Amino acid sequence: EAQVTQNPRYLITVTGKKLTVTCSQNMNHEYMSWYRQDPGLGLRQIYYSMNVEVTDKGDVPEGYKVSRKEKRNFPLILESPSPNQTSLYFCASSLTSASYGYTFGSGTRLTVV
Amino acid sequence: GENVEQHPSTLSVQEGDSAVIKCTYSDSASNYFPWYKQELGKRPQLIIDIRSNVGEKKDQRIAVTLNKTAKHFSLHITETQPEDSAVYFCAAKRNNNDMRFGAGTRLTVKP
Repeated sequence: EAQVTQNPRYLITVTGKKLTVTCSQNMNHEYMSWYRQDPGLGLRQIYYSMNVEVTDKGDVPEGYKVSRKEKRNFPLILESPSPNQTSLYFCASSLTSASYGYTFGSGTRLTVV
Repeated sequence: GENVEQHPSTLSVQEGDSAVIKCTYSDSASNYFPWYKQELGKRPQLIIDIRSNVGEKKDQRIAVTLNKTAKHFSLHITETQPEDSAVYFCAAKRNNNDMRFGAGTRLTVKP
């Protein structure tokens, strides 16, 4: 089944403890992206990747890192999480950056205390 | 960059009534306008989309209209049902650029 898989679904962590949220797609998509969703703010882009080893900042990249060493994986790294990063995170992918159809992962609800 | 505004932020209708959600965009080069439905605790799912060379598109009870001159597009849901209750997001995209989303509309359909 074609899908975008995120892990974990839920995570509670403490301020400053490094964490990684994984994202993997099995559709051979070139384009992958991370969004955070907060009430009243919709989906805001954190980072995106046009292809392997090509990443760039979105609208709200501060406090986050990403890597794209292989086509299928696009992990989101929080080196030193803070409470303002408490949010619902979605990974999405599409065939290319010019493609229109986005497939979203199931989401990761992160709480930083 | 692209800026997408969505109204209203919340909408409550009686079952069987119509619901309309409106979005405006700023980048005249945007050429793709999808609508996503997000049920509680789930991922956004594409429900309908429209490209800039089309003025209207319909799929059963759902329709989307696009006014390129005014740079606005709307989602119309007719004969609403309780299962239509969800958060709806509009978005705008142009070639090789990222999708920009509206802030979302929480639709409640009362039985």
